[in-house]
Amino acid sequence: SQTIHQWPATLVQPVGSPLSLECTVEGTSNPNLYWYRQAAGRGLQLLFYSVGIGQISSEVPQNLSASRPQDRQFILSSKKLLLSDSGFYLCAWSVGQGWDIQYFGAGTRLSVL
Amino acid sequence: GQQLNQSPQSMFIQEGEDVSMNCTSSSIFNTWLWYKQDPGEGPVLLIALYKAGELTSNGRLTAQFGITRKDSFLNISASIPSDVGIYFCAGRSNTGNQFYFGTGTSLTVIP
Repeated sequence: SQTIHQWPATLVQPVGSPLSLECTVEGTSNPNLYWYRQAAGRGLQLLFYSVGIGQISSEVPQNLSASRPQDRQFILSSKKLLLSDSGFYLCAWSVGQGWDIQYFGAGTRLSVL
Repeated sequence: GQQLNQSPQSMFIQEGEDVSMNCTSSSIFNTWLWYKQDPGEGPVLLIALYKAGELTSNGRLTAQFGITRKDSFLNISASIPSDVGIYFCAGRSNTGNQFYFGTGTSLTVIP
């Protein structure tokens, strides 16, 4: 069966520090991968998606970037965090040519102080 | 992006009561999903709907794909304390690939 792992679960970082959040998927090949941000425990905002290694699409301009160095690995990064980067970050995967049902990881709670 | 309006925003109900919530979009969707999110966790898929008028159940949960294809409904029968959480709808239009998420309905069940 497929599983998705996200780490760390929680992170407290000072403003201006770098960020690296990692997401890996097991049990499937060539998944579509997604990064979402959820503010205030509510709506999900799509940040990035990837349909293959090295292929990244950005949905909103921001202080963040994403990379996919391996088939089942998706990384969310920032060179310098802002206060507004605080939130709950969710990684998700799906399979198929289209954007089929997405399955989510447990999330990373990021607090920028 | 697409706007999904989810209502009600929050609900406080007694254990054993039935729950109804809905989600509406400004455009036609070809897929509707319903997720539940527990505090500090990622959303978990409850039900997927692919056809207008479709009615699908998952235990005490029943969801419907609206006939107009611009709305979807989720019902929970005989609520229990573990139903507490935030319920999200998500929809995908037939003109794009991205799923858009509603702002969620927060459910509190009072024992």
